[in-house]
Amino acid sequence: AQKITQTQPGMFVQEKEAVTLDCTYDTSDPSYGLFWYKQPSSGEMIFLIYQGSYDQQNATEGRYSLNFQKARKSANLVISASQLGDSAMYFCAMREMNTGFQKLVFGTGTRLLVSP
Amino acid sequence: DAGITQSPRHKVTETGTPVTLRCHQTENHRYMYWYRQDPGHGLRLIHYSYGVKDTDKGEVSDGYSVSRSKTEDFLLTLESATSSQTSVYFCAISGPGLNSRQETQYFGPGTRLLVL
Repeated sequence: AQKITQTQPGMFVQEKEAVTLDCTYDTSDPSYGLFWYKQPSSGEMIFLIYQGSYDQQNATEGRYSLNFQKARKSANLVISASQLGDSAMYFCAMREMNTGFQKLVFGTGTRLLVSP
Repeated sequence: DAGITQSPRHKVTETGTPVTLRCHQTENHRYMYWYRQDPGHGLRLIHYSYGVKDTDKGEVSDGYSVSRSKTEDFLLTLESATSSQTSVYFCAISGPGLNSRQETQYFGPGTRLLVL
């Protein structure tokens, strides 16, 4: 079974608008972490934001926020006020603290295109 | 940015030849990882290391071996390259962060390998 599912292969948004990238996960480990990475066309993987399963509040990092709904097992990335430079692939990933040691499991990614 | 370099950055080789990719870090982090990235699969863990001479298999380890003789270097070897190993290879590192449970993985720039 897929541990991380990103159902949107591609998303389009206009500059300055907000966009939500979906991520659902599957784990029986009560302790886990969720990560989002950005991969621009240049190819590097850039860490954006982290959410721990026991964190009381949704994570935020500048224009990035994570809409964490534990009961639904979803960890959607919200990008506010999109910029042209946000055009990239976005990957959701999970680390299971008790069973997965240091392993990250990635989703297949969502390609975001920001238009002027 | 985390100090991670990968060499070579691009390589073309022929089926059946051995190939070694190098990952070098200047962060003195304990954990190092090798991933491969293929369309439709996101990133998949090949091998990881939790210390000098301490390594373990990941999700897609068949056909690959690794070695770590120094904290700063993690080598990935394809003993006899096959066309199915054509991919982009990423090295990553992690270590204690502000939140030790988070231990974000930071990625190198990647190596594009083409096996003809």
